[in-house]
This record gives sequence, C-alpha cells and structure tokens, in this order.
Amino acid sequence: KNQVEQSPQSLIILEGKNCTLQCNYTVSPFSNLRWYKQDTGRGPVSLTIMTFSENTKSNGRYTATLDADTKQSSLHITASQLSDSASYICVVSDLGNTPLVFGKGTRLSVIA
Amino acid sequence: EPEVTQTPSHQVTQMGQEVILRCVPISNHLYFYWYRQILGQKVEFLVSFYNNEISEKSEIFDDQFSVERPDGSNFTLKIRSTKLEDSAMYFCASSELAGQLGTYEQYFGPGTRLTVT
Repeated sequence: KNQVEQSPQSLIILEGKNCTLQCNYTVSPFSNLRWYKQDTGRGPVSLTIMTFSENTKSNGRYTATLDADTKQSSLHITASQLSDSASYICVVSDLGNTPLVFGKGTRLSVIA
Repeated sequence: EPEVTQTPSHQVTQMGQEVILRCVPISNHLYFYWYRQILGQKVEFLVSFYNNEISEKSEIFDDQFSVERPDGSNFTLKIRSTKLEDSAMYFCASSELAGQLGTYEQYFGPGTRLTVT
C-alpha cells in the first residue's frame, strides 16, 4: 500500500535555530516528491518539487533532499522564524501530476 | 499575484442536503483538482479535471460527488446528499499543465469548511 510517513509528528524550536523534518515513503513507481507548508486553516503552499533524478532543492531557507534509493526525504529549515510555525506536509506522486499520497505532516512551532 | 479563490469560506448544511462548493482557478491553468481534509487528518485527493472531463478520481469520489466547469472561470464540486462524514475542509487547486513527471506547481485555494449537521 502506498504510504507516506513523516516524523516527528510535532516539533518545538527556538527562533533562529535550524531543524530537519523527515519523510519516508513507499509509493511506487515514484514520480515526484513535494514539500508543502500549511498554515492553520489555509491551503497548502508548495515549497519544493523533486523528481527521482534530483537529490536536493532549495527555496530560500528551505532545503529539501531526496534519496530515491532508500525512499527518504528531508526538509531542512535554516534560521527559523516565528512565521515558519505551520504544518509541513510531504506529498508523493506515483504517476501523472496528481499528488495522490499525502503525509500527515509535521507540526512545527517556532517560539521566541 | 494570481491566486485560486473559493466560496463560501464556510458552509453549514443539514444531512441529506445538496451542497455546491465553488472555485475560481488561476485563469491560464488547465488542470483542476479537489482535495479534502477532515479535521486533524491528512489531505486526501478527490478528483482531477482536464479538458472538461475527469482525468483521475479516488475511491472517496463516489456517485455522491460530481464536478463541473460550468463556464470559463468556475470549477464546482457538488455533493448530492451530504453525510455527517463529509464534514471537512475542501481545497480546490489548479496547475498550468501536467506531465508524466508531474512537476508542475499546484496552487491551492484557501478552502471551504463544510459542516454537516
């Protein structure tokens, strides 16, 4: 069964600190992996999209990595800000353009 | 910056009633999607739509659901006879194109919170 597992479930960090969120997936055949940021009560906003041939992708302070062999991805946030407080969702697609398999997300809280 | 809009932001309906959720995708986008998120759970894909027909749908998207593009700008999701378990946040999304590698950006709307009583 296609699944996306994320860890940790929640995380609290101090403003200015770095953190890394993890994603493991069993989706096959693999097409692409996306990281989204979702603020409470809002729609997800895309951070990065990676295909199987890409190992890393950056978007400002966000850097995603992908190991298609081990089916693992991580999202690293550098110099966190209070506005980074949100859920971060890993989404994996097997074919086509539809993100079919969503993770439950990691709830990140950045505190002053 | 163009964005996906959805109306209403919150809809309350009684069990068994029909509801129509509305979305205006980004104007030059060709692919449209509906997702739902039950409170505290993960986002789930419902359906994708291209060239005036459904291109993919999930198991959730049964005969109670239908989608339509009634004109050049709106994209709607209809739930024919709502059930309590249909209570969720419904997100519309659109993308400019789609491809085999599926790397086109999907832009999500702010969502419609549907409450079935």
